[in-house]
Amino acid sequence: DQQVKQNSPSLSVQEGRISILNCDYTNSMFDYFLWYKKYPAEGPTFLISISSIKDKNEDGRFTVFLNKSAKHLSLHIVPSQPGDSAVYFCAASALGGANSKLTFGKGITLSVRP
Amino acid sequence: DAGVTQSPTHLIKTRGQQVTLRCSPKSGHDTVSWYQQALGQGPQFIFQYYEEEERQRGNFPDRFSGHQFPNYSSELNVNALLLGDSALYLCASSVQGGGTEAFFGQGTRLTVV
Repeated sequence: DQQVKQNSPSLSVQEGRISILNCDYTNSMFDYFLWYKKYPAEGPTFLISISSIKDKNEDGRFTVFLNKSAKHLSLHIVPSQPGDSAVYFCAASALGGANSKLTFGKGITLSVRP
Repeated sequence: DAGVTQSPTHLIKTRGQQVTLRCSPKSGHDTVSWYQQALGQGPQFIFQYYEEEERQRGNFPDRFSGHQFPNYSSELNVNALLLGDSALYLCASSVQGGGTEAFFGQGTRLTVV
C-alpha cells in the first residue's frame, strides 16, 4: 500500500516555463513533507519542505503548496531551467519531521527542454 | 564539509553471502538512517540509529541489521543475500531534535548475482 503517490512518472516542459510536480498521500498522520531532487549516480538532494501547519512555502524558484483536506501537495518551479532536469521525490514523515522515517513516492522524471 | 559519505560505491556479491556497507554522517549530525532504493522505486526506510541504538525500523527482515559507532558513523549489514536485495542503498544523516531535512549520501550500488 503506497502511502505517498506520484502518479505521473514523467514531465517535460520548455525552459522558462513553469513545472508543476504533484504528490498525493493517504496517511493522515503525516505532518511534514519534503521534496528531494536526484541526479543519476548521486544521492537525493533536499530542495524544500513544508510543515502541515502551513499551506505554502517558498524558496527562490521553488514553491511547495499543501492542501491538507485533499491530502495533496505540489512543487512549482518557476522559471524552469535545463539544470532542473532530474528525478524529483516527494517524501512525508509523521511526528518527527526530518528525524523520523521518511516515506517516499516513486519519483517524477522532469525534463526541461532548452 | 564532506557531507554524507558512503563506501563502497559499488559492490557485487553472490547469493547467500553477507555484506557490510558503511556511512559517515555530515559533520554535526548524530542520527543516521538507511534506505533501500530498488530500480524505478522511491527509497524505502530500513532503520534509523541514534545514540548507538536502533530507534525506528521499517518493514525489513532480520537479515538486515545495523550498528552505530560513538563517532556517529554507521554500518548496514545484510546476511544471506537474495537476488532481490540488489538495489541502491542510501544513508541519510540528520540532527536529532533539530534541523529541517535529512542529507543523503551518494549511495552504494549492491548487485547480488
